[in-house]
Amino acid sequence: SQQGEEDPQALSIQEGENATMNCSYKTSINNLQWYRQNSGRGLVHLILIRSNEREKHSGRLRVTLDTSKKSSSLLITASRAADTASYFCATVATSGYALNFGKGTSLLVTP
Amino acid sequence: GAVVSQHPSWVICKSGTSVKIECRSLDFQATTMFWYRQFPKQSLMLMATSNEGSKATYEQGVEKDKFLINHASLTLSTLTVTSAHPEDSSFYICSAQRSGGAGNEQFFGPGTRLTVL
Repeated sequence: SQQGEEDPQALSIQEGENATMNCSYKTSINNLQWYRQNSGRGLVHLILIRSNEREKHSGRLRVTLDTSKKSSSLLITASRAADTASYFCATVATSGYALNFGKGTSLLVTP
Repeated sequence: GAVVSQHPSWVICKSGTSVKIECRSLDFQATTMFWYRQFPKQSLMLMATSNEGSKATYEQGVEKDKFLINHASLTLSTLTVTSAHPEDSSFYICSAQRSGGAGNEQFFGPGTRLTVL
């Protein structure tokens, strides 16, 4: 069942600015993952953070995880127009292995 | 590595016909594959989990007789939408979990857009 909730639902920023998206979940997790989806396309895996990790970096991406608050954030620094896409968080529960996706944040980066 | 393909990319069919969608892991073996459905501007909803050589596990509310899943080999899973109706129009995405891989990383296919007239 879907359990992740992202906010904001939609975000519009200018190139060069940072974009922050948040995700909250309900159950205990093994890991949390962030994905990107361009309109009408498949998903691209961005980053995976395990339940015992607090922060992870990958290029311009920074992900944090707070298991006490059951929340995560994705920060995209120095955004580019090509970052325009929908971003989803997905959790894997400690009791399972299927991905439970959040509703996603639609990011628009204008030149 | 870890490429997953889907075929076809899109399909338009008449109401009442059946449509088969293939999901292949091209350069790795996948014991487990997952099928998701995504309606416009919505998130992915897991439909079923497909394990090679055994029956698929369907999520609550997904009709197993309508969405037939076959995972006959370690690199291929198929989803057949039987007697498709307009409300089945959606974006169907599969993912594959690498056999023996670390963690729970899934690799996603590019999706198949189904339009039922």
